[in-house]
Amino acid sequence: DTAVSQTPKYLVTQMGNDKSIKCEQNLGHDTMYWYKQDSKKFLKIMFSYNNKELIINETVPNRFSPKSPDKAHLNLHINSLELGDSAVYFCASSQDTSPGFEQYFGPGTRLTVT
Amino acid sequence: AQSVAQPEDQVNVAEGNPLTVKCTYSVSGNPYLFWYVQYPNRGLQFLLKYITGDNLVKGSYGFEAEFNKSQTSFHLKKPSALVSDSALYFCAVRLLRGGYNKLIFGAGTRLAVHP
Repeated sequence: DTAVSQTPKYLVTQMGNDKSIKCEQNLGHDTMYWYKQDSKKFLKIMFSYNNKELIINETVPNRFSPKSPDKAHLNLHINSLELGDSAVYFCASSQDTSPGFEQYFGPGTRLTVT
Repeated sequence: AQSVAQPEDQVNVAEGNPLTVKCTYSVSGNPYLFWYVQYPNRGLQFLLKYITGDNLVKGSYGFEAEFNKSQTSFHLKKPSALVSDSALYFCAVRLLRGGYNKLIFGAGTRLAVHP
């Protein structure tokens, strides 16, 4: 019954590895997002997809590649992980791109790179 | 620059007392303003929003916020705080850019409600 779910909840890996985080929403929303929350709790948008199409790509390193196989799923693949990638990554969704719609967030994935 | 600011890192209040968490914004055009709450080790939960209409907006868990255009503020309020309200609160504003928009968050304010 979880509206926005993410897997895994925790991810511990070594520098240089490649990892993926998966996100699914069952709200029937058209738009999905990835956010990064750093150690100071600052939240910043990374990507946004609308109906499987990329519409926002902030200044994120090319090592980060989102993929949306359908509008209910938005995955995040990270290549060559670095220490600075350690953070909590949140997936979110909204009904569509209209600015008045609130976003629903997943529980987050805590990524620790050692 | 378009932005949103939360001037207080932390707000302390005694249970039963009223609480206010401050937020100011700087955007061009009409603002779309939101408040979210984050409990420890959880995702953000939507509390309330201002799009248009009445300046006083009511939301979840007894929270409300007042939109003040002249002061460019959107402070979050609750008449009587509960210990369970202790959490991290984020104010956010939608920035409209060309054909798309994105949500910009403030730095967050930690609310601590003491018994």
